[in-house]
Amino acid sequence: GDSVTQMEGPVTLSEEAFLTINCTYTATGYPSLFWYVQYPGEGLQLLLKATKADDKGSNKGFEATYRKETTSFHLEKGSVQVSDSAVYFCALSERGTGNQFYFGTGTSLTVIP
Amino acid sequence: GAVVSQHPSRVICKSGTSVKIECRSLDFQATTMFWYRQFPKKSLMLMATSNEGSKATYEQGVEKDKFLINHASLTLSTLTVTSAHPEDSSFYICSAPNLAGATGELFFGEGSRLTVL
Repeated sequence: GDSVTQMEGPVTLSEEAFLTINCTYTATGYPSLFWYVQYPGEGLQLLLKATKADDKGSNKGFEATYRKETTSFHLEKGSVQVSDSAVYFCALSERGTGNQFYFGTGTSLTVIP
Repeated sequence: GAVVSQHPSRVICKSGTSVKIECRSLDFQATTMFWYRQFPKKSLMLMATSNEGSKATYEQGVEKDKFLINHASLTLSTLTVTSAHPEDSSFYICSAPNLAGATGELFFGEGSRLTVL
């Protein structure tokens, strides 16, 4: 079945450091891939998405490229800020499955000044 | 963009009482909504899929009689935690897919933190 494997946290970085959060997936079809972010005490918000192979999603300085050959969708940001401290979830959804989403376990990021 | 709203955002109740959490899609119709439970420092656990006009589909291990789900209209789903106990304390999040989009993006409510004393 479909699944998402996400890099274990927590991750602690200094401000302006480079961020990578690894995400790999298993899917039977052609999924769309997502990164969601959850700030403390809040629900999840869509950060970025990619719907087909080689697509690059980007938002707020974050990027992730849909790599079908490595079944990966790693999240990157060149220079993190304190305000980026949150939990990040990788997710996939396959068309025709009733929009069921599969989430990774989440990676907690703390950015220190 | 599509907005999903949850209410209440926080609720504290006594053990043995029931609590209702509402999930509304504000600017789109949602025939399907998902209810998740999130434990501290853990991922989201899908509890059930709420279907407008029919019974909810529960995930394995989720008590149907404990967590009552009603999808009364195309914009409202409710989760009722019946006879709540301290172990039911958690963060509950609802979501609804944007079926109009090809990617089927999922929109989340703000979450409801339940504390059972």
